[in-house]
Amino acid sequence: AQTVTQSQPEMSVQEAETVTLSCTYDTSENNYYLFWYKQPPSRQMILVIRQEAYKQQNATENRFSVNFQKAAKSFSLKISDSQLGDTAMYFCAFMKLASGNTPLVFGKGTRLSVIA
Amino acid sequence: DSGVTQTPKHLITATGQRVTLRCSPRSGDLSVYWYQQSLDQGLQFLIQYYNGEERAKGNILERFSAQQFPDLHSELNLSSLELGDSALYFCASSPESSSYEQYFGPGTRLTVT
Repeated sequence: AQTVTQSQPEMSVQEAETVTLSCTYDTSENNYYLFWYKQPPSRQMILVIRQEAYKQQNATENRFSVNFQKAAKSFSLKISDSQLGDTAMYFCAFMKLASGNTPLVFGKGTRLSVIA
Repeated sequence: DSGVTQTPKHLITATGQRVTLRCSPRSGDLSVYWYQQSLDQGLQFLIQYYNGEERAKGNILERFSAQQFPDLHSELNLSSLELGDSALYFCASSPESSSYEQYFGPGTRLTVT
């Protein structure tokens, strides 16, 4: 079974600064996807960024980027130029590749507060 | 807006009762997933359906059941409700493609009193 660990229950960052959220995972699978989801106070789950395990290049989406270290089973999220709207719970998630889509395994989440 | 709809948004009921949560996936998505988000357990996968057939089962209690109908909407039935069943229940859908992305609905907040 796969497990996802987010060791930082809460973090805070000043507006316009950079913050990094940590995530580690445990799996015996070789082919999988990793995701970061954002859950703002509205409770909607929003996909932030996705990384395919077979790709060595780290994914980026505007101000969001990841540091994917496959051997270390580490998948951190960096948010640059933090904005007040980034305040949310952030969940790291794992999906193994199979014939067809498979369920997500989530970490416990990190609550991020962006301070003006 | 993800395109996934869930009804109702909020549900308050008493212990021992039975409720049905409904989910309509995005147009064309064949897979539907149900997740439970509670304070103590975090986000947990309950069950997955693909084109009407059960595909995967997670930590779903025997008191809970689900189905996916020919029009692809899905229902999650929760019976003999307990206080600990109070949670946010999400439905997500995904296309059978290489994106492997799941689109989440807004959730149903269930409160058992």
